[in-house]
Amino acid sequence: QKEVEQNSGPLSVPEGAIASLNCTYSDRGSQSFFWYRQYSGKSPELIMFIYSNGDKEDGRFTAQLNKASQYVSLLIRDSQPSDSATYLCAQGGGRRALTFGSGTRLQVQP
Amino acid sequence: EAQVTQNPRYLITVTGKKLTVTCSQNMNHEYMSWYRQDPGLGLRQIYYSMNVEVTDKGDVPEGYKVSRKEKRNFPLILESPSPNQTSLYFCASSPSPGQASTDTQYFGPGTRLTVL
Repeated sequence: QKEVEQNSGPLSVPEGAIASLNCTYSDRGSQSFFWYRQYSGKSPELIMFIYSNGDKEDGRFTAQLNKASQYVSLLIRDSQPSDSATYLCAQGGGRRALTFGSGTRLQVQP
Repeated sequence: EAQVTQNPRYLITVTGKKLTVTCSQNMNHEYMSWYRQDPGLGLRQIYYSMNVEVTDKGDVPEGYKVSRKEKRNFPLILESPSPNQTSLYFCASSPSPGQASTDTQYFGPGTRLTVL
């Protein structure tokens, strides 16, 4: 059974700093990985997906995938208070689509 | 506007009173899924559907039923709700799971259910 592990946090960073969120997964067969952001009481919204080893950048966000070590990370540059949310890591592939981690709560201090 | 809708958004009910939460998507997606979210447990899949008339159990299917008679609709049915089904429920849809670039799931706004 697929498992996705995340530190629940909270991870606290000052405004303008880089926030680093990490995730490990158990299923080596997974081909795709996703980062979702979820504000309290709201639905998850996709930030980005990655399916190749290495880095993928989109604006202030960079996803990193290391299949050999089975981890995925999300870097948020120039963190803003509006980035304060819970970040969900998910692995995809196959009939069941996505398996989610329990999320890391990020707090950006003004 | 492309979206997933759920109704109701909030529901308080009593133990044993059957209820249905509706989910509808207007993106012609094949795949639809129901999740529940509880503090510290993340999103857990209840049921999913690969296409019309094709449904299968997720990680926590006990106490729930689903149906997929039309491509756009995927209702979640609780025949006899119990307090341990108090949770935040999300419906999601995806074009075609299993392919990296289209695994992306789009979530509805959520339904907060309280069973007394």
